[in-house]
Amino acid sequence: DTAVSQTPKYLVTQMGNDKSIKCEQNLGHDTMYWYKQDSKKFLKIMFSYNNKELIINETVPNRFSPKSPDKAHLNLHINSLELGDSAVYFCASSQGRGSDGYTFGSGTRLTVV
Amino acid sequence: DQQVKQNSPSLSVQEGRISILNCDYTNSMFDYFLWYKKYPAEGPTFLISISSIKDKNEDGRFTVFLNKSAKHLSLHIVPSQPGDSAVYFCAASGLTGNTGKLIFGQGTTLQVKP
Repeated sequence: DTAVSQTPKYLVTQMGNDKSIKCEQNLGHDTMYWYKQDSKKFLKIMFSYNNKELIINETVPNRFSPKSPDKAHLNLHINSLELGDSAVYFCASSQGRGSDGYTFGSGTRLTVV
Repeated sequence: DQQVKQNSPSLSVQEGRISILNCDYTNSMFDYFLWYKKYPAEGPTFLISISSIKDKNEDGRFTVFLNKSAKHLSLHIVPSQPGDSAVYFCAASGLTGNTGKLIFGQGTTLQVKP
């Protein structure tokens, strides 16, 4: 019974395409996040939503648009994909503002060719 | 500007011995620290945390030590087991503003040899 599930696990696409990554959590948490792990293995926060409200937006290009239809879902839509967008994207959730441990999904490896 | 640093990219220890993973931070506003463990093709898994009001927190084989004056924390694993082989990430959070944002280090790959 997966706590934080994200789909797809792998995504290979061409430059210029638009793609979406979906995330769902069944933990009843009220805060969800998107993190990006780049080629240097750094995990960096992109967005955070608390009860469907955007609370963190870290200088991410506006080609990236998160959408939270309800507090159990946080999807990431990326327009006009670029080579530099290739990375592993992790969804996570936490209860409250998340100073306790987050629960992460297993990641989506995006490769832009 | 990397506020959380793990200067050792890798560490190799023998099974049964102690593993010590280190982490340094620069922002004095950080007051909550966490360690995550990550296996290949999986997401990071929360391991242990420590608040800045403490200098030690223990959970089974895992102990985290915090030295605020040195802005340094370490994770001790005793005894190390082959299943502990993974990438370990240190993370820090500032409760001021309470945004719940975690800043991660770049990770240390631990290999425990049987």
